[in-house]
Amino acid sequence: DGGITQSPKYLFRKEGQNVTLSCEQNLNHDAMYWYRQDPGQGLRLIYYSQIVNDFQKGDIAEGYSVSREKKESFPLTVTSAQKNPTAFYLCASSTRGRATNTEAFFGQGTRLTVV
Amino acid sequence: QKEVEQNSGPLSVPEGAIASLNCTYSDRGSQSFFWYRQYSGKSPELIMFIYSNGDKEDGRFTAQLNKASQYVSLLIRDSQPSDSATYLCAVRYGGSQGNLIFGKGTKLSVKP
Repeated sequence: DGGITQSPKYLFRKEGQNVTLSCEQNLNHDAMYWYRQDPGQGLRLIYYSQIVNDFQKGDIAEGYSVSREKKESFPLTVTSAQKNPTAFYLCASSTRGRATNTEAFFGQGTRLTVV
Repeated sequence: QKEVEQNSGPLSVPEGAIASLNCTYSDRGSQSFFWYRQYSGKSPELIMFIYSNGDKEDGRFTAQLNKASQYVSLLIRDSQPSDSATYLCAVRYGGSQGNLIFGKGTKLSVKP
């Protein structure tokens, strides 16, 4: 089955620790995205990548880092510089073509909690 | 600043009624519009997309787009308790390679 897989589903981070969230897709999509969702809030864009070996900052990139070494994978690292990392993290992917209706497909999400 | 605005709700409707969800956006250059449904604790799933003015129907769902007024709406006919969720409006700015900007969502509650 084609889809986007995020792992782990739940993650606990100690103060000052870096953690990495995994996102893998087998949809052959060029574009991948990381969003953060806080309770009662919409999705805010952290980073996005339109092509392998290239990525751009979104609206709230501070304290996060990403890599895009393979088309299928777009891991997100939450660094100790992110002071309020507790949130629901969503990875998404989409095609990258001329059509305007290039919707994004989401993974199951990772719920990160600072302990 | 590109914005997408939604009434946070909750919007409560009785079972079998029509639920009407609205969304406004700030950038006249926006080309495509999406409605996602998100159940509590789950990831968003796409319900519909629309990019031409007018109505688009898919089963019990109808998306309506008015570019002149910069709003997009979602109608859910014959609402069911299983429709109770948060509905996110998303707008793609900057053409086919632009990013999706999401509203904060409207929480819908369908009462049996």
